[in-house]
Amino acid sequence: GAVVSQHPSRVICKSGTSVKIECRSLDFQATTMFWYRQFPKKSLMLMATSNEGSKATYEQGVEKDKFLINHASLTLSTLTVTSAHPEDSSFYICSARGGMSSYNEQFFGPGTRLTVL
Amino acid sequence: AQSVAQPEDQVNVAEGNPLTVKCTYSVSGNPYLFWYVQYPNRGLQFLLKYITGDNLVKGSYGFEAEFNKSQTSFHLKKPSALVSDSALYFCAVRDMAGANNLFFGTGTRLTVIP
Repeated sequence: GAVVSQHPSRVICKSGTSVKIECRSLDFQATTMFWYRQFPKKSLMLMATSNEGSKATYEQGVEKDKFLINHASLTLSTLTVTSAHPEDSSFYICSARGGMSSYNEQFFGPGTRLTVL
Repeated sequence: AQSVAQPEDQVNVAEGNPLTVKCTYSVSGNPYLFWYVQYPNRGLQFLLKYITGDNLVKGSYGFEAEFNKSQTSFHLKKPSALVSDSALYFCAVRDMAGANNLFFGTGTRLTVIP
């Protein structure tokens, strides 16, 4: 299957700072990318969906000014957590889908563990 | 609205025994169903999917799942469990009528006891 990478895999930051997480599709062009957040012992919560070159569509309850998403190219999307606070500590997973059909398969990155002190 | 239910938070099974991880779904149109596995501090790995056709779907690592439309279920099964199968399993659904993304269940932690 296709490969999706995330960087960094783990980050620790101080409260009030901003953190950027990168998501790359390594061997295919990702027309759509998804960002999920996973809480301990909980399911994945979709945060936002982004199409290359367009503004991201955020799910209800997700602050778009706090979680900035950029999908500037067909192989790269970034999630920036601005002014991070301890409650933002979580496991963030990106997913990418190629092609124009919404029925194409989604491939998942390995996740980024964010800890805000 | 779409939803997925995994009624068991934890499933324990002895090595070599058959395993079942349950999943039921609710969609407004025809379902597009998936199973994913997650190992500690890792992303999700695709196991199998159902779109149309044969109700019994075979996937990776010897897993299979049976689509049952009348019971709106898509239970994951394996005839003989391995210790290495111990992980967190997620069922997911997409409504073919138009949803753009996957909706996930809350996950079931499978522990295979040696």
